[in-house]
Amino acid sequence: GIQVEQSPPDLILQEGANSTLRCNFSDSVNNLQWFHQNPWGQLINLFYIPSGTKQNGRLSATTVATERYSLLYISSSQTTDSGVYFCAVGRYTGTASKLTFGTGTRLQVTL
Amino acid sequence: DTEVTQTPKHLVMGMTNKKSLKCEQHMGHRAMYWYKQKAKKPPELMFVYSYEKLSINESVPSRFSPECPNSSLLNLHLHALQPEDSALYLCASSQPTGVRGNQPQHFGDGTRLSIL
Repeated sequence: GIQVEQSPPDLILQEGANSTLRCNFSDSVNNLQWFHQNPWGQLINLFYIPSGTKQNGRLSATTVATERYSLLYISSSQTTDSGVYFCAVGRYTGTASKLTFGTGTRLQVTL
Repeated sequence: DTEVTQTPKHLVMGMTNKKSLKCEQHMGHRAMYWYKQKAKKPPELMFVYSYEKLSINESVPSRFSPECPNSSLLNLHLHALQPEDSALYLCASSQPTGVRGNQPQHFGDGTRLSIL
């Protein structure tokens, strides 16, 4: 199956710092999503970004599908950004899409 | 995402019990998914329903039995579970492939299951 690797695995930032999270995948994909899982386990959609660049407030994401990677940028980090960030890649199987999650980046933002 | 509702939020059951997890969405999606997430691991796909028919079963043990009674509801029936089945169970929904182009999956808040 497709392999999805994220880096770094762990990241500690001071509030206000910027960071870049990376997602590499081993084969072509039909879609890609970035999620934030908060300490309560809720999986929050950040971006649906099979290709190109999108921005939403302090967050932005870029996917270069031909080179099989995606980047998530967090600017001016806040303590509420703490949690685990997952990228997930989707491949079609008939009428359904199989989503494979990456290994995750655990982010801690300190005061 | 709160547009996908899962109940109950927490469930504790013995290995001989029978229980069910419920998932409901009102976004008009016709594909629904069950994922299992162990502690400190990423979610892993278990089942996919597309147009109320089982489309994908990722070799899940038969003690987990999915059911899709209509386009808005997805159940996961549990019987004779093992302690290693303790995990967060996440439901998601999306449009099937080919409907209005690519579509993201939307997740519920999950059911945290503990097997005694």
